[in-house]
Amino acid sequence: QVQLVQSGAEVKKPGASVKVSCKASGYIFTSYGINWVRQAPGQGLEWMGWISANNGNTNYAQKVQGRVTMTTDTSTSTAYMELRSLRYDDTAIYYCGRDLIAMVPTIPSFWGQGTLVTVSS
Amino acid sequence: EIVMTQSPVTLSVSPGERATLSCRASQSVNSNLAWYQHKPGQAPRLLIYGASTRATGISARFSGSGSGTEFTLTISSLQSEDFAIYYCQQYSNWPPWTFGQGTRVDVK
Repeated sequence: QVQLVQSGAEVKKPGASVKVSCKASGYIFTSYGINWVRQAPGQGLEWMGWISANNGNTNYAQKVQGRVTMTTDTSTSTAYMELRSLRYDDTAIYYCGRDLIAMVPTIPSFWGQGTLVTVSS
Repeated sequence: EIVMTQSPVTLSVSPGERATLSCRASQSVNSNLAWYQHKPGQAPRLLIYGASTRATGISARFSGSGSGTEFTLTISSLQSEDFAIYYCQQYSNWPPWTFGQGTRVDVK
């Protein structure tokens, strides 16, 4: 069965970087893209970006463009999301989600459990 | 950027009743519209994609309709496990794939 297992909670200081991992299993990793979505406390869902696990192509939301880098390691079927220059309003639960359809950028259908990133001095 | 607007913000419904949630797009997204259910402490769950296709394992009491700019999610007979926040998301134009702000369905 499809599973996405994310790394554990992080506490970071303003200005630091965080790198969240998302290890996939149960399907051919390179056949599906990975979306990253976050939810700040008391807020709704916010789409951050997408990466193709096939060729590494990315598409980022303008709000985080320039501070975010999404990558994959096909040898370990793991996707990564790195966010730099952290601000207090980056405090959120970060989710990875596998595309619904193979080889086509779409919406997440299978999700990781979420990673809480707290930005605090 | 396509703006997604959901209404109402909160919907109070008694168990067994029907719930109707709306989602409006600022421009046409054709049928590239999904609905998610989100409960505290859990990952979101995909309910509907393509505006009206139920995702694998989703109960038939969930149905979606609409195209273009106006969409509806209907829960035919609310069960206790259905009380949650529901989000629509467009995947027609990117970046970004935008979410609506959510509709909270709670017990009346």
